[in-house]
Amino acid sequence: DAGITQSPRHKVTETGTPVTLRCHQTENHRYMYWYRQDPGHGLRLIHYSYGVKDTDKGEVSDGYSVSRSKTEDFLLTLESATSSQTSVYFCAISESRTSTDTQYFGPGTRLTVL
Amino acid sequence: AQKVTQAQTEISVVEKEDVTLDCVYETRDTTYYLFWYKQPPSGELVFLIRRNSFDEQNEISGRYSWNFQKSTSSFNFTITASQVVDSAVYFCALSEAYNNAGNMLTFGGGTRLMVKP
Repeated sequence: DAGITQSPRHKVTETGTPVTLRCHQTENHRYMYWYRQDPGHGLRLIHYSYGVKDTDKGEVSDGYSVSRSKTEDFLLTLESATSSQTSVYFCAISESRTSTDTQYFGPGTRLTVL
Repeated sequence: AQKVTQAQTEISVVEKEDVTLDCVYETRDTTYYLFWYKQPPSGELVFLIRRNSFDEQNEISGRYSWNFQKSTSSFNFTITASQVVDSAVYFCALSEAYNNAGNMLTFGGGTRLMVKP
């Protein structure tokens, strides 16, 4: 199994509060991704990173920001959480950007915004 | 734009039955990759298979087999002699070789498979 951890694993927060989710990898992979999983939508890409301090937007990036100050850590921040951001968040890693590379996923973080 | 459709939202079978999960995709690229992931009740996502668009050979791995047909844009997944441990949500995903968002995976909505004893 790829060495990917996510913290926290569960979080309940209130509307309007900031929330930061952390993804940590021990594989030294260059690419890291944040997805959200919602019923009927599968997983959708929020942001991704292609190196330290190099990030870009995905399909559903509104309301989210990311940072990557070290190869092993990729942070996802909800500046002001809304109920529509209640979801399960998955981090993924891959060795390169080529489509031949498989993405491996972390265990997920279940976030509830009340 | 790329799109993946898994029309079967839920399938229920009795143990030892064979079951096929359908996946239909749309892409403008001639080079792309298709994936299947399994999400058991514990919630993690487990990689099952990757297939590139130039390789239409079917693949078999134990009780699992995959049928890739470019003519119908489908990448179907068959479990033979299903077992209770196969109960999970299965996702089909597509990655285009030249998309702009890194190596973005586009997922289908998933098929929940319930295998009853």
